[in-house]
Amino acid sequence: QSVLTQPPSVSGAPGQRVTISCTGNSSNIGAGLDVHWYQQVPGAAPRLLIYGTTYRPSGIPDRFSGSRSGTSASLAITGLQAEDEADYYCQSCDNSLTFSGLFGTGTRVTVL
Amino acid sequence: QITLKESGPTLVKPTQTLTLTCSFSGLSLTTSGVGVGWIRQPPGKALEWLALIYWNDNKRYSPSLKSRLTITKDTSENQVVLTMTNMDPVDTATYYCAHITFYYDSSGYYPPRQGYFDLWGRGTLVTVSS
Repeated sequence: QSVLTQPPSVSGAPGQRVTISCTGNSSNIGAGLDVHWYQQVPGAAPRLLIYGTTYRPSGIPDRFSGSRSGTSASLAITGLQAEDEADYYCQSCDNSLTFSGLFGTGTRVTVL
Repeated sequence: QITLKESGPTLVKPTQTLTLTCSFSGLSLTTSGVGVGWIRQPPGKALEWLALIYWNDNKRYSPSLKSRLTITKDTSENQVVLTMTNMDPVDTATYYCAHITFYYDSSGYYPPRQGYFDLWGRGTLVTVSS
């Protein structure tokens, strides 16, 4: 059972801005550990969207941005496009000595 | 260009052991700061991290599955192998391997505890059924 909670779904019209939250606790996001975001189009493998909470890999449009506040992180999509319809997952780790992969519960973005 | 590809059986019986191979090109698992991990996704459900192996051969496992998992690497063959014992129908999922980029944080722990999955294979669907 994931300790990173995301809303099951968000939706918006083309051109609008939507945000996806990723809520953790004091043992992960709240401890200052980074959050990474992935986009998964139906039937395809996930793709890295944001790393290190706020950084975009090469080739990712600047419509996607990440932020953090307290025990939560957020992914914002501005200028929503039809191709953004997909599942989005956050990922972080526990405040421990070693890597411990935590994925969020996932959010389906629907473009109306 | 970095590519990863998963291979293994598509159908296994309950109680059997699953062996999956991740074959990759365009990267070296001897390069400091990199690794390969396994993630699975049951049909219609969320991603779940299973295991990873660092460039220095350190290994990490999901606490909930640690007793059933073994990850190894063959640097000369550019492969990472995951075995999962005592398979059950609830283990039916698409299994992905992914390249990991690690980085150090203020803790300075070695090997680094933070990383992200920056390149993924297409995944392989494994069904567990008698």
